[in-house]
Amino acid sequence: ETGVTQSPTHLIKTRGQQVTLRCSSQSGHNTVSWYQQALGQGPQFIFQYYREEENGRGNFPPRFSGLQFPNYSSELNVNALELDDSALYLCASSPTRGAEKLFFGSGTQLSVL
Amino acid sequence: GENVEQHPSTLSVQEGDSAVIKCTYSDSASNYFPWYKQELGKRPQLIIDIRSNVGEKKDQRIAVTLNKTAKHFSLHITETQPEDSAVYFCAALNSGGSNYKLTFGKGTLLTVNP
Repeated sequence: ETGVTQSPTHLIKTRGQQVTLRCSSQSGHNTVSWYQQALGQGPQFIFQYYREEENGRGNFPPRFSGLQFPNYSSELNVNALELDDSALYLCASSPTRGAEKLFFGSGTQLSVL
Repeated sequence: GENVEQHPSTLSVQEGDSAVIKCTYSDSASNYFPWYKQELGKRPQLIIDIRSNVGEKKDQRIAVTLNKTAKHFSLHITETQPEDSAVYFCAALNSGGSNYKLTFGKGTLLTVNP
């Protein structure tokens, strides 16, 4: 059984650029969600996908978008990067339709300069 | 929307003592309450969770209690060990709604001194 894997592990971008982060769900999980974790803070919910459809969204602007693919892997896209987007981005998968029993990946550390 | 408050923000105990972390939530429709442990530089890991139809749940040295009326829940760690040192996050979810949004507290840094 493989865990949740994310790529890349670290990324440096400049303000205004676009970024794509990737996540592979744990085997057998068809729900994936994304979280933003600023330094010293709890994870903030961005959105969640169940069987390729978005079924939950947090308070993030539309420039944060995502996709879930038929193999249940996922992407997080962020357009027009701002300095405040610098954070650890965590992907999590779940064996349920909701957000129960989340298994987190190790995250992508994004720095926006 | 849901708001989760967590206290204290830091907690230091001696090895063998007990540690208690408390959380309150605002949305009475929330019905699922997990606790995650995050060691420095590592991913959050689920350590215990409780549903709103249960008042208490125990797993070895870890227990969680829930008071639905007061809208608060607590994590209890007994016989603490240095490897319990980490940041602990509580969270709340309305798993019966149409928007599956898990809301986390800001975390408690637990330090267990040998």
